[in-house]
Amino acid sequence: DAEITQSPRHKITETGRQVTLACHQTWNHNNMFWYRQDLGHGLRLIHYSYGVHDTNKGEVSDGYSVSRSNTEDLPLTLESAASSQTSVYFCASSEGAELTDTQYFGPGTRLTVL
Amino acid sequence: AQSVTQLGSHVSVSEGALVLLRCNYSSSVPPYLFWYVQYPNQGLQLLLKYTSAATLVKGINGFEAEFKKSETSFHLTKPSAHMSDAAEYFCAVRKGGGSYIPTFGRGTSLIVHP
Repeated sequence: DAEITQSPRHKITETGRQVTLACHQTWNHNNMFWYRQDLGHGLRLIHYSYGVHDTNKGEVSDGYSVSRSNTEDLPLTLESAASSQTSVYFCASSEGAELTDTQYFGPGTRLTVL
Repeated sequence: AQSVTQLGSHVSVSEGALVLLRCNYSSSVPPYLFWYVQYPNQGLQLLLKYTSAATLVKGINGFEAEFKKSETSFHLTKPSAHMSDAAEYFCAVRKGGGSYIPTFGRGTSLIVHP
């Protein structure tokens, strides 16, 4: 079965370190998204991609970067981790064929920045 | 800009009682609307979506939602709550202008008492 996976599931790091969160989907979807989920804020979009070599900033992109070198993967990099980036991160993908496309979400990565 | 408002961050019901989770949208064009559910320690999964084909939309696990343009609402209901329905529920609206990016509400936590 097709799926979307994230790794690691839990990560503890220190302020100032670079961290990369992996996202891999086997749906062959064109669109991929990264969100962060914080209490009281719901889901906020960090970055998204509509295809290979395409990346776009979301509403909370400062301090984050992504690159899309193939269809399956969209890694999220925190250039210099800050305590404000402690959160649960979700990756999602969608086919990109219609505006009513369903988004499929990964299980999430819980990141703690000390 | 399109947006959704979920009324009530927490809703508490007894097992067997009616579930009603409220969502109001703001959109200058006919919207595409979605309800997602997030079970503890999992990613989001689609419950149902409105694509203008029918105003009453049936989803998984006995949930349904009715699109009411006059009230700009898309409330989620289930006739009889089950303990397994305890989760976080998110309403989302797709942005206009050909965007694949949804805007999520802040979520409503459904608590089911035995």
